[in-house]
Amino acid sequence: QVQLVQSGAEVKTPGASVKVSCKASGYIFTSYYMHWVRQAPGQGLEWMGIINLTGGSTNYAQKFQGRVTMTRDTSTSTVYMELNSLRSEDTAVYYCARIEVGGDRYFDLWGRGTLVTVSS
Amino acid sequence: QSALTQPHSVSGSPGQSVTISCTGTSSDVGGYNYVSWYQQHPGKAPKLMIYAVSKRPSGVPDRFSGSKSGNTASLTISGLQAEDEADYYCCSYAGSVVFGGGTKVTVL
Repeated sequence: QVQLVQSGAEVKTPGASVKVSCKASGYIFTSYYMHWVRQAPGQGLEWMGIINLTGGSTNYAQKFQGRVTMTRDTSTSTVYMELNSLRSEDTAVYYCARIEVGGDRYFDLWGRGTLVTVSS
Repeated sequence: QSALTQPHSVSGSPGQSVTISCTGTSSDVGGYNYVSWYQQHPGKAPKLMIYAVSKRPSGVPDRFSGSKSGNTASLTISGLQAEDEADYYCCSYAGSVVFGGGTKVTVL
């Protein structure tokens, strides 16, 4: 079954870090790029960045540079997104979503999302 | 990169047509055909409805269609149905990914 399975909800205090995982199955892992997109409560979608699953190179949205790290483990077909120095504004649902390498640059598969709550 | 501009909301009666606009610049929407549209129901992940401006994935009803003119892309829902009530987001992927602010579609 083609799917992206994300880790469970997290509650963090301000200043802490969170690491969210996204495990891919049912397709060739390296035939796609993986992106992370977040959505604050009642707000729209916000792109965070992309990781090339073949070589591991990354490109982050300027807003998150210096605070986000995306990594992958090809042996388990899992992608990770770590966000540091959390603040209340980082409370959001975090989605992983794939884009086919060499395709028309659209997200054809999304994870169900991981709710990260930042609160003291 | 600034977010793409969408109307906050549109509405229509069952069977009617509604169109959602998505305005960017020549550096994103106007310069490339990498425009896609996503439907999102409350509490759910986004779902791809249109890609490459006007292509429809298998399984998406043909009442959903996309187009582009200049720096503005559009999503049209013809024959509106109750299950179409949702939030819709446009997306452009030029050098980086940018989303529209989202449009709430209400079926009256």
